[in-house]
Amino acid sequence: QQPVQSPQAVILREGEDAVINCSSSKALYSVHWYRQKHGEAPVFLMILLKGGEQKGHEKISASFNEKKQQSSLYLTASQLSYSGTYFCGTEQWNTGNQFYFGTGTSLTVIP
Amino acid sequence: EAQVTQNPRYLITVTGKKLTVTCSQNMNHEYMSWYRQDPGLGLRQIYYSMNVEVTDKGDVPEGYKVSRKEKRNFPLILESPSPNQTSLYFCASSNGDYNEQFFGPGTRLTVL
Repeated sequence: QQPVQSPQAVILREGEDAVINCSSSKALYSVHWYRQKHGEAPVFLMILLKGGEQKGHEKISASFNEKKQQSSLYLTASQLSYSGTYFCGTEQWNTGNQFYFGTGTSLTVIP
Repeated sequence: EAQVTQNPRYLITVTGKKLTVTCSQNMNHEYMSWYRQDPGLGLRQIYYSMNVEVTDKGDVPEGYKVSRKEKRNFPLILESPSPNQTSLYFCASSNGDYNEQFFGPGTRLTVL
Protein backbone atom coordinates (compact mmCIF):
# COMPACT_ATOMS: atom_id res chain seq x y z
CA GLN A 1 0.00 0.00 0.00
CA GLN A 2 3.04 2.24 0.12
CA PRO A 3 3.06 4.31 -3.07
CA VAL A 4 5.98 3.91 -5.44
CA GLN A 5 7.96 6.94 -6.53
CA SER A 6 10.10 7.35 -9.61
CA PRO A 7 12.80 8.14 -10.26
CA GLN A 8 14.62 7.23 -7.06
CA ALA A 9 17.19 9.93 -7.67
CA VAL A 10 17.81 12.72 -10.13
CA ILE A 11 20.57 15.26 -10.64
CA LEU A 12 19.78 18.54 -12.37
CA ARG A 13 21.65 21.64 -13.36
CA GLU A 14 20.19 24.95 -12.25
CA GLY A 15 17.41 26.00 -14.56
CA GLU A 16 16.49 22.49 -15.70
CA ASP A 17 13.10 20.89 -15.18
CA ALA A 18 12.18 17.65 -13.43
CA VAL A 19 9.15 15.45 -12.94
CA ILE A 20 8.65 13.13 -9.98
CA ASN A 21 5.97 10.49 -10.19
CA CYS A 22 3.97 8.81 -7.44
CA SER A 23 1.91 5.72 -8.17
CA SER A 24 -0.41 3.75 -5.92
CA SER A 25 -2.01 0.33 -6.23
CA LYS A 26 -4.92 1.57 -4.11
CA ALA A 27 -7.61 4.14 -4.83
CA LEU A 28 -6.63 7.52 -3.46
CA TYR A 29 -8.64 10.43 -2.20
CA SER A 30 -5.76 12.75 -1.53
CA VAL A 31 -2.12 13.16 -2.39
CA HIS A 32 0.31 15.30 -0.41
CA TRP A 33 3.81 16.35 -1.41
CA TYR A 34 6.60 17.05 1.08
CA ARG A 35 10.24 18.03 0.76
CA GLN A 36 12.89 17.02 3.25
CA LYS A 37 16.31 18.61 3.34
CA HIS A 38 19.21 16.68 4.76
CA GLY A 39 19.05 16.46 8.55
CA GLU A 40 15.70 18.21 8.75
CA ALA A 41 12.05 17.27 9.08
CA PRO A 42 9.76 16.99 6.04
CA VAL A 43 8.02 20.20 5.05
CA PHE A 44 4.62 20.36 3.37
CA LEU A 45 4.47 21.59 -0.23
CA MET A 46 0.91 20.99 -1.37
CA ILE A 47 -2.13 18.76 -1.25
CA LEU A 48 -4.34 17.58 -4.11
CA LEU A 49 -7.85 16.42 -3.35
CA LYS A 50 -9.72 15.99 -6.59
CA GLY A 51 -9.01 13.94 -9.64
CA GLY A 52 -7.37 16.09 -12.23
CA GLU A 53 -6.60 18.82 -9.74
CA GLN A 54 -3.42 20.73 -10.31
CA LYS A 55 -1.85 23.02 -7.82
CA GLY A 56 1.09 25.33 -7.89
CA HIS A 57 3.63 26.50 -5.39
CA GLU A 58 6.16 28.99 -6.76
CA LYS A 59 7.73 27.07 -9.67
CA ILE A 60 6.62 23.74 -8.25
CA SER A 61 3.27 22.33 -9.31
CA ALA A 62 1.53 18.98 -9.16
CA SER A 63 -1.26 17.03 -10.76
CA PHE A 64 -3.45 14.18 -9.59
CA ASN A 65 -4.93 11.57 -11.90
CA GLU A 66 -7.47 9.81 -9.75
CA LYS A 67 -8.31 7.13 -12.31
CA LYS A 68 -4.70 6.12 -12.76
CA GLN A 69 -4.04 6.50 -9.03
CA GLN A 70 -1.05 8.64 -9.85
CA SER A 71 0.32 12.05 -9.03
CA SER A 72 3.21 13.95 -10.55
CA LEU A 73 5.28 16.79 -9.13
CA TYR A 74 6.71 19.27 -11.63
CA LEU A 75 9.73 21.38 -10.81
CA THR A 76 10.52 24.01 -13.40
CA ALA A 77 13.62 26.17 -13.75
CA SER A 78 15.13 24.41 -10.76
CA GLN A 79 17.10 26.34 -8.16
CA LEU A 80 19.82 25.16 -5.78
CA SER A 81 17.29 25.46 -2.95
CA TYR A 82 15.14 22.74 -4.52
CA SER A 83 17.67 20.07 -3.54
CA GLY A 84 16.31 17.54 -1.10
CA THR A 85 14.24 14.40 -0.93
CA TYR A 86 10.66 14.62 -2.14
CA PHE A 87 7.97 12.40 -0.72
CA CYS A 88 4.44 11.89 -1.85
CA GLY A 89 1.96 10.97 0.85
CA THR A 90 -1.41 9.39 0.26
CA GLU A 91 -4.71 8.86 1.98
CA GLN A 92 -6.42 5.80 0.56
CA TRP A 93 -10.02 4.74 0.45
CA ASN A 94 -11.00 2.03 2.93
CA THR A 95 -7.96 2.41 5.16
CA GLY A 96 -9.42 4.83 7.68
CA ASN A 97 -7.12 7.74 8.39
CA GLN A 98 -3.88 5.92 7.74
CA PHE A 99 -1.27 7.85 5.83
CA TYR A 100 1.20 6.27 3.43
CA PHE A 101 4.37 7.96 2.29
CA GLY A 102 6.26 6.96 -0.81
CA THR A 103 9.87 5.82 -0.70
CA GLY A 104 11.17 9.22 -1.73
CA THR A 105 13.02 10.82 -4.64
CA SER A 106 16.39 12.41 -4.01
CA LEU A 107 16.81 15.55 -6.09
CA THR A 108 20.15 17.32 -6.37
CA VAL A 109 20.51 20.62 -8.18
CA ILE A 110 24.03 21.59 -9.14
CA PRO A 111 25.33 24.95 -10.41
CA GLU B 1 5.54 29.95 17.74
CA ALA B 2 3.51 27.08 16.31
CA GLN B 3 5.54 23.92 16.61
CA VAL B 4 5.81 20.23 17.30
CA THR B 5 8.47 19.30 19.83
CA GLN B 6 10.06 15.91 20.46
CA ASN B 7 12.32 14.71 23.24
CA PRO B 8 14.91 13.42 23.34
CA ARG B 9 16.47 14.32 20.00
CA TYR B 10 19.06 11.58 20.25
CA LEU B 11 18.97 8.40 22.29
CA ILE B 12 21.25 5.39 22.53
CA THR B 13 19.90 2.52 24.58
CA VAL B 14 20.22 -1.23 25.02
CA THR B 15 17.93 -4.05 24.03
CA GLY B 16 14.99 -4.49 26.38
CA LYS B 17 15.24 -1.21 28.29
CA LYS B 18 11.86 0.53 28.14
CA LEU B 19 11.86 4.04 26.75
CA THR B 20 9.43 6.83 25.93
CA VAL B 21 9.79 9.49 23.26
CA THR B 22 7.60 12.49 23.98
CA CYS B 23 5.77 14.57 21.39
CA SER B 24 3.89 17.78 22.03
CA GLN B 25 2.15 20.29 19.75
CA ASN B 26 0.82 23.76 20.54
CA MET B 27 -1.52 24.19 17.56
CA ASN B 28 -4.58 22.51 19.07
CA HIS B 29 -4.44 19.89 16.32
CA GLU B 30 -6.70 16.88 16.55
CA TYR B 31 -4.63 14.51 14.40
CA MET B 32 -1.23 13.30 15.59
CA SER B 33 0.96 10.60 14.17
CA TRP B 34 4.27 8.80 14.60
CA TYR B 35 6.51 7.77 11.71
CA ARG B 36 9.79 6.00 11.42
CA GLN B 37 12.21 6.77 8.62
CA ASP B 38 14.68 4.22 7.35
CA PRO B 39 16.99 4.49 4.31
CA GLY B 40 15.28 3.34 1.15
CA LEU B 41 11.95 2.83 2.89
CA GLY B 42 10.75 6.39 3.25
CA LEU B 43 8.51 7.30 6.15
CA ARG B 44 6.23 4.63 7.53
CA GLN B 45 3.38 5.32 9.89
CA ILE B 46 3.53 3.58 13.26
CA TYR B 47 0.41 4.85 15.05
CA TYR B 48 -1.94 7.76 14.69
CA SER B 49 -4.59 9.45 16.77
CA MET B 50 -7.66 11.31 15.59
CA ASN B 51 -8.38 12.79 19.01
CA VAL B 52 -8.00 12.28 22.75
CA GLU B 53 -8.32 8.62 23.74
CA VAL B 54 -8.59 7.57 20.07
CA THR B 55 -5.57 5.78 18.62
CA ASP B 56 -5.14 3.45 15.65
CA LYS B 57 -2.43 1.30 14.17
CA GLY B 58 -0.51 2.50 11.18
CA ASP B 59 1.52 0.37 8.84
CA VAL B 60 4.25 -0.78 11.25
CA PRO B 61 2.84 -0.82 14.82
CA GLU B 62 4.59 -3.95 16.12
CA GLY B 63 6.77 -3.27 19.15
CA TYR B 64 5.30 0.17 19.84
CA LYS B 65 2.62 1.64 22.06
CA VAL B 66 1.06 5.08 22.18
CA SER B 67 -1.38 6.98 24.32
CA ARG B 68 -3.36 10.18 23.86
CA LYS B 69 -4.56 11.38 27.23
CA GLU B 70 -4.30 15.06 26.34
CA LYS B 71 -4.83 16.73 23.01
CA ARG B 72 -1.35 18.24 22.87
CA ASN B 73 0.69 15.15 23.80
CA PHE B 74 1.25 11.87 21.97
CA PRO B 75 4.09 9.85 23.50
CA LEU B 76 5.63 6.84 21.76
CA ILE B 77 6.53 3.95 24.04
CA LEU B 78 8.93 1.12 23.27
CA GLU B 79 8.43 -1.39 26.06
CA SER B 80 11.23 -3.72 25.02
CA PRO B 81 13.32 -2.10 22.30
CA SER B 82 15.20 -4.27 19.84
CA PRO B 83 17.99 -3.39 17.38
CA ASN B 84 15.56 -3.43 14.44
CA GLN B 85 13.86 -0.40 16.00
CA THR B 86 16.99 1.66 15.43
CA SER B 87 15.64 4.45 13.27
CA LEU B 88 14.79 8.12 12.90
CA TYR B 89 11.40 8.88 14.40
CA PHE B 90 9.13 11.78 13.55
CA CYS B 91 6.01 12.98 15.27
CA ALA B 92 3.55 15.01 13.23
CA SER B 93 0.27 16.81 13.78
CA SER B 94 -2.45 18.26 11.58
CA ASN B 95 -5.87 19.77 11.75
CA GLY B 96 -7.55 16.59 10.52
CA ASP B 97 -8.13 15.17 7.05
CA TYR B 98 -6.96 16.99 3.97
CA ASN B 99 -4.60 19.20 5.92
CA GLU B 100 -0.85 19.53 5.95
CA GLN B 101 1.10 17.70 8.59
CA PHE B 102 3.58 19.61 10.73
CA PHE B 103 6.58 17.56 11.74
CA GLY B 104 8.70 17.62 14.84
CA PRO B 105 12.50 17.78 14.51
CA GLY B 106 12.96 14.03 14.79
CA THR B 107 14.44 11.62 17.33
CA ARG B 108 17.37 9.47 16.30
CA LEU B 109 17.18 6.22 18.26
CA THR B 110 19.92 3.61 18.40
CA VAL B 111 19.22 0.29 20.12
CA LEU B 112 22.34 -1.77 20.86
